[in-house]
Amino acid sequence: DAGVIQSPRHEVTEMGQEVTLRCKPISGHDYLFWYRQTMMRGLELLIYFNNNVPIDDSGMPEDRFSAKMPNASFSTLKIQPSEPRDSAVYFCASSLLAGLYNEQFFGPGTRLTVL
Amino acid sequence: DAKTTQPPSMDCAEGRAANLPCNHSTISGNEYVYWYRQIHSQGPQYIIHGLKNNETNEMASLIITEDRKSSTLILPHATLRDTAVYYCIVRPYSGAGSYQLTFGKGTKLSVIP
Repeated sequence: DAGVIQSPRHEVTEMGQEVTLRCKPISGHDYLFWYRQTMMRGLELLIYFNNNVPIDDSGMPEDRFSAKMPNASFSTLKIQPSEPRDSAVYFCASSLLAGLYNEQFFGPGTRLTVL
Repeated sequence: DAKTTQPPSMDCAEGRAANLPCNHSTISGNEYVYWYRQIHSQGPQYIIHGLKNNETNEMASLIITEDRKSSTLILPHATLRDTAVYYCIVRPYSGAGSYQLTFGKGTKLSVIP
C-alpha cells in the first residue's frame, strides 16, 4: 500500500490566489482528516469525514477554507482567497472504522507558503 | 485543549533507553493513552496505546500508573532515527471524540551519538 498520498508537496502562491490541496486516503479507510501545523499553534484538526460525509468542521478557521470528499478515494482542501497567515504544513490522515487501534495514518503533508 | 502535560525536550544517548513521561491527571475511564511521534518533515506516526495495563510492541513499551494519571513511553534502545517530537494523547476508544486526535506540544527527543 502506498499510504496516504498528498499533492502537491510544496505550494508557493501569492496572497489572494486560490489554493487547492489534494489527498488520497488509504484504500478501504472510512475516515479522512485534515490537519494544519504551524509553529505557533502546533497540529490542529480542521475537519474530518466519515464515509465521505463531513462530520465535524469546527476546526476550519473561517469561510475561506472549504473541504470536500467527492468519493472514497479523494478529498480536497481549498483556500480562497489565500492569506499569508495560512502558511503552514497541511496534513491529511485516514483511518479504518474497525481498525484495531483506530490508528490514523498520516500523509507526508503539503507545505504551503502564501506570499 | 490538550489533556496531557509533557516536558518540552529531552536528550538521550544512543543505545540507551529513552523514558518519556506524560501526565494526564484528568483522564476518564473510557479514555486510552496514545503515543504518536513526528520525525522532522514527516507526518505523525502511531507508536502504541494502552488503557491501564502495560503494553509492548516492536517499537516501544508503555507503562501506565495504577491510578492512570500518568504514563511513560519507553524506547528500549534509542537510535538516531528516534529523534523526533513525541506526542502523548488521551482519547476515548469509542463514541464521541474517539476519532479525533488532539495534539499538545509534545516532547522533542534528541538522541545523541
